[in-house]
Amino acid sequence: AQSVAQPEDQVNVAEGNPLTVKCTYSVSGNPYLFWYVQYPNRGLQFLLKYITGDNLVKGSYGFEAEFNKSQTSFHLKKPSALVSDSALYFCAVREGSNYQLIWGAGTKLIIKP
Amino acid sequence: EPEVTQTPSHQVTQMGQEVILRCVPISNHLYFYWYRQILGQKVEFLVSFYNNEISEKSEIFDDQFSVERPDGSNFTLKIRSTKLEDSAMYFCASSVLQGGSEQYFGPGTRLTVT
Repeated sequence: AQSVAQPEDQVNVAEGNPLTVKCTYSVSGNPYLFWYVQYPNRGLQFLLKYITGDNLVKGSYGFEAEFNKSQTSFHLKKPSALVSDSALYFCAVREGSNYQLIWGAGTKLIIKP
Repeated sequence: EPEVTQTPSHQVTQMGQEVILRCVPISNHLYFYWYRQILGQKVEFLVSFYNNEISEKSEIFDDQFSVERPDGSNFTLKIRSTKLEDSAMYFCASSVLQGGSEQYFGPGTRLTVT
């Protein structure tokens, strides 16, 4: 069965430091991987995706993510965190022929000034 | 920038009542979805809709639920007889294609069943 794990409920980072939000997945076929961000009282906003090709994908607001097939991971990264990056981050996976996204539990990212 | 919109933002209903949640997907998108998120839990897929029919549904999407695209712009989720456990945030989403296309989400409708 498809699944997504985000092992950290919360990540705390000082402003200006690099950040990483972890995600691992399990699918039987080729995965399509996505990161979304949710600000308070807002919907889910698309950040970036991996479909095929380069393992490092770049997205909105300076975020990037690295696809690692052997470790079945898709960690979200940013070289220098901003206070405004504080939000809830969700990793999601879709297996090729399916329509639905399978979601991780979310990681709360807190950036301290 | 085009957005998915949802109405109402908050709906309070009594157990056993019918509710209709409304969504306007992005205009050139062809695939439509409903997800829900019970407070403190994961986002869960309910249903996807393409070419005027359901393309995939989850176990959650039982006979109590139905979806419809009544005209060229709206996409609705109906819950026939609401239960307390239907209380959740309901998100509508749309995408241009299936497969690797990202889904764009609306702001959600918070449904409270009392």
